[in-house]
Amino acid sequence: GNSVTQMEGPVTLSEEAFLTINCTYTATGYPSLFWYVQYPGEGLQLLLKATKADDKGSNKGFEATYRKETTSFHLEKGSVQVSDSAVYFCALSDRDGGFKTIFGAGTRLFVKA
Amino acid sequence: KAGVTQTPRYLIKTRGQQVTLSCSPISGHRSVSWYQQTPGQGLQFLFEYFSETQRNKGNFPGRFSGRQFSNSRSEMNVSTLELGDSALYLCASSSDPFGEQYFGPGTRLTVT
Repeated sequence: GNSVTQMEGPVTLSEEAFLTINCTYTATGYPSLFWYVQYPGEGLQLLLKATKADDKGSNKGFEATYRKETTSFHLEKGSVQVSDSAVYFCALSDRDGGFKTIFGAGTRLFVKA
Repeated sequence: KAGVTQTPRYLIKTRGQQVTLSCSPISGHRSVSWYQQTPGQGLQFLFEYFSETQRNKGNFPGRFSGRQFSNSRSEMNVSTLELGDSALYLCASSSDPFGEQYFGPGTRLTVT
């Protein structure tokens, strides 16, 4: 079945450091891929998405490229801020997988001033 | 457009009781999904509804049930509560079940 694996956290960085959160997936079809972010005390919100191979999703300085050959969708940001501290979830949806979105376990990011 | 709303935001129940949680999706969204979030298990899919029909169900016992009304509002019910049911229950709506989902703030359920 479909699955998403993302790097375990927590990840602790200093402000202005470079961020990478790894995400790989297994899917039977041609999935859409997503990154969601959850700030303390809130629900998840979409950060970015990509719907086909080689697409790059971007938002708020975050980027991720859909790599079909490596089944990956790694999240990157060139310079993190304290306000980026949150939990990040990689996710996929796939018509072959039924009407549901599969989420990774989440990676908690702490950014120190 | 108003976002996804969930009520109540917090609940404390005793083992053996039952609980009903409510979710109002974004206007025009017909797909509603429910998730259980716990520190140990992450985000687990419970079920998805579309036009009052359950189209998919996660791997949860029969104590967990749900329904959707004609106005797309949804409820989930947990009967005979166990300590392990303590979690954040998130509802999400979408216009496309394979596209992005819009999440509510969740209902924090504590079972004592």
